[in-house]
Amino acid sequence: AQSVTQLDSQVPVFEEAPVELRCNYSSSVSVYLFWYVQYPNQGLQLLLKYLSGSTLVKGINGFEAEFNKSQTSFHLRKPSVHISDTAEYFCAVSDQGGSEKLVFGKGTKLTVNP
Amino acid sequence: GAGVSQTPSNKVTEKGKYVELRCDPISGHTALYWYRQSLGQGPEFLIYFQGTGAADDSGLPNDRFFAVRPEGSVSTLKIQRTERGDSAVYLCASSSSRGSYNEQFFGPGTRLTVL
Repeated sequence: AQSVTQLDSQVPVFEEAPVELRCNYSSSVSVYLFWYVQYPNQGLQLLLKYLSGSTLVKGINGFEAEFNKSQTSFHLRKPSVHISDTAEYFCAVSDQGGSEKLVFGKGTKLTVNP
Repeated sequence: GAGVSQTPSNKVTEKGKYVELRCDPISGHTALYWYRQSLGQGPEFLIYFQGTGAADDSGLPNDRFFAVRPEGSVSTLKIQRTERGDSAVYLCASSSSRGSYNEQFFGPGTRLTVL
């Protein structure tokens, strides 16, 4: 079974500042890794994913994440945030070769202040 | 094209009542998932359909919850004898099954409130 830990429930930052949202996972099998974003009153949207290959993956809206197998981490970063990045961010895993059901973390609420 | 749709968007019911939540997946998607998102939590997996059959129902919390997908397209999540703890947003997602990885596309969810 897999589990996901998002260490910060809330992250407030100022506009144009860099941000890192942390995610650690636990699994006995190889996994795929994902970050989803949920804007207020909207559905979940895939931000980026790691399937294999390069450990640095780039997603939409200038976000990127780095897979670190030894530390079982998949932290999300953006060098300069905008007000419009205010949303809830979820890290998720699924096991390779399984049903592809997603196991989510509890989420991190990112608030970008002017 | 049209995305995943869910109806109703909001459902308020009384404790002990029966409810049905509907999911219309993206046309042609053979895989369909139900998740439940309680307040302040991430989505939790409930059940996964591949075609008409439930391939994995390990996330259903108890026998009050049941889901069907009789024609391999629309799915209905059924909850009997609702309890206040069932209050949550119920999310549906669909994906194709063409490759080793298939992105799940989520619907907007149905917010269920049990009074």
